[in-house]
Order: sequence, then C-alpha cells, then structure tokens
Amino acid sequence: AQSVTQLDSHVSVSEGTPVLLRCNYSSSYSPSLFWYVQHPNKGLQLLLKYTSAATLVKGINGFEAEFKKSETSFHLTKPSAHMSDAAEYFCVVSAKSWGKLQFGAGTQVVVTP
Amino acid sequence: NAGVTQTPKFQVLKTGQSMTLQCAQDMNHNSMYWYRQDPGMGLRLIYYSASEGTTDKGEVPNGYNVSRLNKREFSLRLESAAPSQTSVYFCASSAISGETQYFGPGTRLLVL
Repeated sequence: AQSVTQLDSHVSVSEGTPVLLRCNYSSSYSPSLFWYVQHPNKGLQLLLKYTSAATLVKGINGFEAEFKKSETSFHLTKPSAHMSDAAEYFCVVSAKSWGKLQFGAGTQVVVTP
Repeated sequence: NAGVTQTPKFQVLKTGQSMTLQCAQDMNHNSMYWYRQDPGMGLRLIYYSASEGTTDKGEVPNGYNVSRLNKREFSLRLESAAPSQTSVYFCASSAISGETQYFGPGTRLLVL
C-alpha cells in the first residue's frame, strides 16, 4: 500500500525568504516521488522527480527536494521565494510495480511582498 | 507539440444528463489516466489505461466509464450525472505506467 501526507495545508512566506513544504510517504515498494505545482486555474506541472539516483533532486524554478529513507520524507525547499511561487503544491508517490500515482492533499503557498 | 489536450474546458449539466470528456495526447505515450480534483483531497484516480486496448478502475470509478479509442485518445463518460460529480477533471499521460505523468489543462464540470 502507498500513501502520502503533506504536513501543512497552507504555508505563508514573505518574498525573498526560504520556502519549506513537508511531505512524508509510505510505500511497500521502492518508490518514485514527485512534486507537482498547480497555479490557479491551470493544470499540473512537474517540478521534480526522485527515482533512486541522487537523494538530493534539483527541479525547475530553483526548487529542490531531499529523499530521506530513514525518515520516509521528501521535503521541498527553495532558498528565496518569488511572488510567482504562489500556487498549490502536490507531493506524489508511485511504484513501478503498481504504476499509479498517489497524491497528497496539497499545500497552498501564499507569498507576501 | 500540444502535449495533453482536453475538451471541453467548462461544462454545466443538469442531474441525469450524460456527457463525454475528451482527452488526446501527441507524445506517443502508452499510458493514460483520468483524475478528479476536489478541494482538500488532492487528485484521485478514476480510471487508467496502461496501454492501448486496456482499461482499469482507479480509486473512484463509480458513475464513470472510459474508452481508450486509440493510442492518442482516452475519453471519460458520465452516463447519468449527479451533483457529487461536480469537480475538475484532469487527463494525464505517461510513456509507460509508473513514469512521469503529464497533465492536461482540466475540465471544470458543474452538475446542478
């Protein structure tokens, strides 16, 4: 069985300050892990993906995430938030043997000037 | 290269009406998926098609049917719409099951 928990439903940050979005997962198999972003009234865009290579994964727009097997976590970070980072972010787990994605409930990010 | 396209963008139905949501991808992907998105619940898988000619139920299949028309197209049908099916529907595709999925822009459906 697979599941994913996003620990914060809302995160508010000031422009130029760091962003941390927390995600814990459980998986019976070696997981693939993803972060997707959804801007208002838009589809989902892939930010980054972990597939058992390097544990620190770099994505688009300055985001990165670290896979920690011992903590079953895959937290997303960015050193300096932009106004354009205001969006909803989804942590997602998959297993090749299962072939489907399991989505977290999402974290809404608000960026204030 | 349009990626994943969906039609219509927005639809209003009355309870009991039927409709088909269309999805097409031009990336030569084998696997295609239908999700619904509701506030606070992330995306939930309705049906998927691992390859042309196969379809399987996802997490919330009740009230829906699908057709994998060919490799490019995967449609979702609501035979008798209910207010509980008011949602945003996303189609996605991936090269093979378990690989990165690419999403369409979504269809907003309101059932009165």
